[in-house]
Amino acid sequence: DGGITQSPKYLFRKEGQNVTLSCEQNLNHDAMYWYRQDPGQGLRLIYYSQIVNDFQKGDIAEGYSVSREKKESFPLTVTSAQKNPTAFYLCASSQGLASSYEQYFGPGTRLTVT
Amino acid sequence: KQEVTQIPAALSVPEGENLVLNCSFTDSAIYNLQWFRQDPGKGLTSLLLIQSSQREQTSGRLNASLDKSSGRSTLYIAASQPGDSATYLCAVEGGSYIPTFGRGTSLIVHP
Repeated sequence: DGGITQSPKYLFRKEGQNVTLSCEQNLNHDAMYWYRQDPGQGLRLIYYSQIVNDFQKGDIAEGYSVSREKKESFPLTVTSAQKNPTAFYLCASSQGLASSYEQYFGPGTRLTVT
Repeated sequence: KQEVTQIPAALSVPEGENLVLNCSFTDSAIYNLQWFRQDPGKGLTSLLLIQSSQREQTSGRLNASLDKSSGRSTLYIAASQPGDSATYLCAVEGGSYIPTFGRGTSLIVHP
């Protein structure tokens, strides 16, 4: 089956620890995205990547970091500098950054930091 | 900066009703608009993608229309079913090719 996988589904961390969320796609898509979703809010873009070894900050990149060493993988690290890390994190991909391409989403990772 | 508003925020209807969900956006210079469905605790599922040159798209009981000049889109759901219960989000894509999302409409269809 083609699609996007995110792991784990639930993640718990202590305050002050960095944590890395996994996102893998086998759709052969060039573009990948990370969003954050809070209750009652729309999706907010954290980072996106158009091609391997390239990525750009989104609207709320502070306290987050990413890498894009392989086309299939776009891991997100939530650092201890992120003030309110508890949220639902969604990874997405599309064929490219162009108007005709749909976005496809993974199942999400719910991160709780205490 | 593009802003996307979805009205109503929540909707509860009996099974069988025809529904209209609204999405409005402030900057009409968009390339496309996409409607998604999100079930509780899950990712988003794409329902319909409308290119800026199109007026509407249909898939089964769903019909989405786009009026760029007025900055509006509607998602029409015919003969609603309990399985349609979910949150529906719209996203518009402009010059940056990065979508801007609305907050969604939470729909409950009760038997």
